[in-house]
Amino acid sequence: EVQLVESGGGLVQPGGSLRLSCAASGFTFSSSWMHWVRQAPGKGLVWVSCINTDGSTINYADSVKGRFTISRDNAKNTLYLQMNSLRVDDTAVYYCVSDGSHGEFDSWGQGTLVAVSS
Amino acid sequence: EIVLTQSPGTLSLSPGERATLSCRASESPTSSYLAWYQQKPGQAPRLLIYGASSRATGIPDRFSGSGSGTDFTLTISRLEPEDFAVYYCQQYNWSPPRYTFGQGTNLEIK
Repeated sequence: EVQLVESGGGLVQPGGSLRLSCAASGFTFSSSWMHWVRQAPGKGLVWVSCINTDGSTINYADSVKGRFTISRDNAKNTLYLQMNSLRVDDTAVYYCVSDGSHGEFDSWGQGTLVAVSS
Repeated sequence: EIVLTQSPGTLSLSPGERATLSCRASESPTSSYLAWYQQKPGQAPRLLIYGASSRATGIPDRFSGSGSGTDFTLTISRLEPEDFAVYYCQQYNWSPPRYTFGQGTNLEIK
């Protein structure tokens, strides 16, 4: 069974930093593209970033480019999201998601809440 | 920027009825890379349909996806009580990779 377990969320002040982690199990993590998707309270889903199997190809949504950094450690089966210069509008539940075969988001973690507020 | 527009915003139906949800793209997704998700309150989304018409593992056959080009449909043939939720469509375009969600359709019990 695929399991994706996020951690690292919490309350942070505007301008601050957080690092999210996602522990993966139940599938071959090193063979899967991975993503972060977020959802602001009461709002819809927004793709944030993706990384290929060996970390050599990375893409970001324009809204986080230059502030967020995605990375992975295949030896530890773990995905990361370093979030710097956080803004109030970054407040959301952040989901770790595995990539499917046709551009879809195959399996989802339970999410971790990031709240940016003074 | 590619935009996905879902309609209706809210759909009120009764168990046993047929639900038809629409998703219109401002431009065609790469190779019909269009997916549908179900999200219940307090839960993560669940993949229902990928590649416009292929059901994900474990998804009941009352869920079906269709469409091509810029117009896509999710149909639930006979609503069960557990089907009332918010549904999102999502598309993928290469070069550069972009993943876009629709704003969602809230399927509620009438």
